Amino acid sequence: AQSVAQPEDQVNVAEGNPLTVKCTYSVSGNPYLFWYVQYPNRGLQFLLKYITGDNLVKGSYGFEAEFNKSQTSFHLKKPSALVSDSALYFCAVRDYSGGGADGLTFGKGTHLIIQP
Amino acid sequence: DGGITQSPKYLFRKEGQNVTLSCEQNLNHDAMYWYRQDPGQGLRLIYYSQIVNDFQKGDIAEGYSVSREKKESFPLTVTSAQKNPTAFYLCASSIPGYGNQPQHFGDGTRLSIL
Repeated sequence: AQSVAQPEDQVNVAEGNPLTVKCTYSVSGNPYLFWYVQYPNRGLQFLLKYITGDNLVKGSYGFEAEFNKSQTSFHLKKPSALVSDSALYFCAVRDYSGGGADGLTFGKGTHLIIQP
Repeated sequence: DGGITQSPKYLFRKEGQNVTLSCEQNLNHDAMYWYRQDPGQGLRLIYYSQIVNDFQKGDIAEGYSVSREKKESFPLTVTSAQKNPTAFYLCASSIPGYGNQPQHFGDGTRLSIL
């Protein structure tokens, strides 16, 4: 079975400061990991993914994420937050040893609030 | 522009009524998915389909049904057996493989009970 934990329901950051949104995962094999962002009453937008290779993954809108296998974490980061980054962020995982193309397992989401 | 279109944006269901949510994609993706989103619970998988005329139950399929007669379309029916249907429903599609492709999402349908 696969699972994702986002330990913080909400993260508050001042504009211009660095931000981190935490994610830990559990899979029986090796993970594919994804971050998505959701704005109110909209669908999810893909930000970045980790498949294999470099542990630091760069994505859209200046976001990046660091894969740490020993800590089973995939935290989302950005060096300088913008007010427009305020949204709901989801981490998702897929255990690629399972084969097939079934759905991702999502965390419960973290509300990111950037204060001007 | 390529993308996923979900309709209607808002839907109201009367007790005992079945309702159907539409999902159409022009991305030429083989795989399509339906998720349910409830506040504070993230997304939960209802059904998915990897190819036309084939679909599989997800984690919370009870009270829902789907069809996949065309590659572009994956409608979801919320039946009267689903006792708590109020939620935000999201459709997604992807290139099938071994789960390493990102999913593309529509803008959702919000279903409420009258």
